[in-house]
Amino acid sequence: SAVISQKPSRDICQRGTSLTIQCQVDSQVTMMFWYRQQPGQSLTLIATANQGSEATYESGFVIDKFPISRPNLTFSTLTVSNMSPEDSSIYLCSASWADGYTFGSGTRLTVV
Amino acid sequence: GQSLEQPSEVTAVEGAIVQINCTYQTSGFYGLSWYQQHDGGAPTFLSYNGLDGLEETGRFSSFLSRSDSYGYLLLQELQMKDSASYFCAVRDRGERNFNKFYFGSGTKLNVKP
Repeated sequence: SAVISQKPSRDICQRGTSLTIQCQVDSQVTMMFWYRQQPGQSLTLIATANQGSEATYESGFVIDKFPISRPNLTFSTLTVSNMSPEDSSIYLCSASWADGYTFGSGTRLTVV
Repeated sequence: GQSLEQPSEVTAVEGAIVQINCTYQTSGFYGLSWYQQHDGGAPTFLSYNGLDGLEETGRFSSFLSRSDSYGYLLLQELQMKDSASYFCAVRDRGERNFNKFYFGSGTKLNVKP
């Protein structure tokens, strides 16, 4: 399975600003996925990022709020735009392989 | 949509065996995975069942019954380090033929000495 480097690991941001989270994979992967996890809660899929095409968003998530880039097979970014305190959460990227996912280490975002 | 149910919390003693159940509903079921997550850490892959039956990986085993929409994770010879949250996740073939994973709410396992 792949190894994913995710950064930043944590950030405290002012409301109304934007934060871009980066994930670098150590091998080429077709599909990458972005999740959100509230502390102590489950993982909610935000979107699927496929290289060369627009991301596919899950119900309740929109591109204007969470724009995603996937410029090549080893890299993806998620931007959390116009942040509000409700966006405070852990954001995780993942890459799929044969039977499962490998996750990045997560970004703990606090919006104040 | 997808729905998964698993117990919220389980407590067991060191050396014991514990089973964490997961029932699911999804339209494009492809398989069931299990992940472990320690506090403050990222989820790590434990096992995957694409077919009915039992998959064994060391102390951990996972079972799937597609006809019952049911699976479980079995942890044997429990150790203190097994205290963590365990998530089942269905692999679902979505609209564009992407295999996406949707996660259950997680089971917090407390291992006591």
